[in-house]
Amino acid sequence: AQKVTQAQTEISVVEKEDVTLDCVYETRDTTYYLFWYKQPPSGELVFLIRRNSFDEQNEISGRYSWNFQKSTSSFNFTITASQVVDSAVYFCALSEWYGGSQGNLIFGKGTKLSVKP
Amino acid sequence: DSGVTQTPKHLITATGQRVTLRCSPRSGDLSVYWYQQSLDQGLQFLIQYYNGEERAKGNILERFSAQQFPDLHSELNLSSLELGDSALYFCASSVATGETGNTIYFGEGSWLTVV
Repeated sequence: AQKVTQAQTEISVVEKEDVTLDCVYETRDTTYYLFWYKQPPSGELVFLIRRNSFDEQNEISGRYSWNFQKSTSSFNFTITASQVVDSAVYFCALSEWYGGSQGNLIFGKGTKLSVKP
Repeated sequence: DSGVTQTPKHLITATGQRVTLRCSPRSGDLSVYWYQQSLDQGLQFLIQYYNGEERAKGNILERFSAQQFPDLHSELNLSSLELGDSALYFCASSVATGETGNTIYFGEGSWLTVV
């Protein structure tokens, strides 16, 4: 069965601190996809990144970076030099490939990040 | 702007009533997903359609139904509404083809309040 665990329910940091959001997943499939989404207080779900199971390259996008490790089934997200605008709930999610198409997302419970000035 | 359009953005209705939520996927996307987000349940997958056919079902109540039309837009029908159905309902879309994977984009959601 698929499962996504975000053990950190809430994190509070002071602006300019680095913060890492943890994500551990479970799947029996060899082909799967991992995602991170941001949900600001306004409520929309904003796509941040997608990673395929056969692409373990880490990625950096500005202040954001992602560390994908299949050996530990983890897909962690780091924000460097956090800013108040980073305050949001962050969701990690997993989808699988089956029957010729990509399946639905299984979400973790989310980590609420508060960045204080 | 994700390109996924949901209407209405907000609605308030009474218990026992029926509502329809509408979703227009991104241009070219074949798959539509519906999710429910409530405070106690988190983000729950309801149902997925792929090119007009039901593809997968999640925790969708029997009082709820959905369909995807030939033009690929989708509707989620919620009937016999209860207070506990109050939630944020998201539609998402994806091309869903190509084993390299596809991004799943979400609409802004429809806030449903049942009073």
